[in-house]
Amino acid sequence: ILNVEQSPQSLHVQEGDSTNFTCSFPSSNFYALHWYRWETAKSPEALFVMTLNGDEKKKGRISATLNTKEGYSYLYIKGSQPEDSATYLCAFSLGGGGADGLTFGKGTHLIIQP
Amino acid sequence: DAMVIQNPRYQVTQFGKPVTLSCSQTLNHNVMYWYQQKSSQAPKLLFHYYDKDFNNEADTPDNFQSRRPNTSFCFLDIRSPGLGDAAMYLCATSLHRQGGFEKLFFGSGTQLSVL
Repeated sequence: ILNVEQSPQSLHVQEGDSTNFTCSFPSSNFYALHWYRWETAKSPEALFVMTLNGDEKKKGRISATLNTKEGYSYLYIKGSQPEDSATYLCAFSLGGGGADGLTFGKGTHLIIQP
Repeated sequence: DAMVIQNPRYQVTQFGKPVTLSCSQTLNHNVMYWYQQKSSQAPKLLFHYYDKDFNNEADTPDNFQSRRPNTSFCFLDIRSPGLGDAAMYLCATSLHRQGGFEKLFFGSGTQLSVL
């Protein structure tokens, strides 16, 4: 059984502050690590897909890093805004490059307080 | 805009009464997935179609079935819903190439209630 763990489960952050949260996953047979943002009443939307150890991706104020040897990824949000309030899901796929779907964590529920 | 559409947004059914959830896509993606998410839990993969090939997860109950009549549509059938099947059901697609790691495109989900 694959376990993808995300922490914290929920997070309240003041507008303008920066924040980060963690995703841990099995380090063996790693293929790709995905981050999705899921706003209430909307569709989950892909933020990043990362495959290489040491990979770092950035999209505006959001960035992510990947450590495949120790099995973790961090998501950073700089200067949080109310529109960043969402659940952030990470998901893991096994080696082989097949279309077998992703194993998701429970998510980090982020609330930005004005 | 090209997208993944799920209908209905909310579905209420009675205990034991068959129910069908639908998903359509205009992306022409070759893979379609169904995920189930119960409250405070991780989305769990039920099954997926790679083109016409159906791939069931080992722990998906027999009560759950799926159909993909063409590239654009995929249905989730729950033959005899129980109270434990109340959940958010998410449909997702991807354009898979061998050895690739493409992102998923999701619908907005169907929230199923069982009375």
